[in-house]
Amino acid sequence: EDQVTQSPEALRLQEGESSSLNCSYTVSGLRGLFWYRQDPGKGPEFLFTLYSAGEEKEKERLKATLTKKESFLHITAPKPEDSATYLCAAYNDYKLSFGAGTTVTVRA
Amino acid sequence: DTGVSQDPRHKITKRGQNVTFRCDPISEHNRLYWYRQTLGQGPEFLTYFQNEAQLEKSRLLSDRFSAERPKGSFSTLEIQRTEQGDSAMYLCASSLVSGPEQYFGPGTRLTVT
Repeated sequence: EDQVTQSPEALRLQEGESSSLNCSYTVSGLRGLFWYRQDPGKGPEFLFTLYSAGEEKEKERLKATLTKKESFLHITAPKPEDSATYLCAAYNDYKLSFGAGTTVTVRA
Repeated sequence: DTGVSQDPRHKITKRGQNVTFRCDPISEHNRLYWYRQTLGQGPEFLTYFQNEAQLEKSRLLSDRFSAERPKGSFSTLEIQRTEQGDSAMYLCASSLVSGPEQYFGPGTRLTVT
C-alpha cells in the first residue's frame, strides 16, 4: 500500500534559522511528488511538483528536492509568515497520497 | 477570484441527519476530486470525476456517501445518516487532465453532534 511519511511532526525555528523537512515515500507507479502549504482552517495551497530524482524547484525561501525514496523541503532564513503546516503528497494516475505534515512555527 | 470554491464553509448537524456540500472547480478544469481531512492528518482521497463521469471511489466512501457532477461543472457530496466519525474537513480540488497539479478549495468543516 502507498505510504508517505513526513518528519519531524513539528519544527520550531527562530527567524533566520534555516532547516529542512523530510518526506519519505513508498508508492507504486509514482508520477510526481507534490508539496503544499496549509494554514489553519484553510485548504492546502500548491507549492511545487517534482517529477524525477535530482530535480529541484525554488520559490522565495523554499527549495524542494527529490531523490528516489525521499524529498526535502529546505526553508532558508525563514520569517514568521512561513509558519504553517507543510504537506507532501505522492501522485499516481489520479490521486494524491498525503503525509501527515510538518507544522513549522517561526518565532520573531 | 477564479479559484476553487466550496459551500458551506462550516456545517453543524445532529447525528442521523443528511448533509450536502457543493464544490465549484476552476472553470477550465475537467477533473474534480473530493478529499477528507481529520485533525493532525493529511487529506485522504475519497473520489474523483473526469467531466461528469465518476472514475474512482476510495474504500473510505461508504454507502452513506454519494457524489455527483451532473453537468461536468460543479459537484455535490452528500452524506446520509451522519455519524460522529464523519466530523472532518471535506476538501475539493480540481485539475486539468493534461496536468496533475491539483488546486484545493477552502474546505467545508463538518461537525456532527
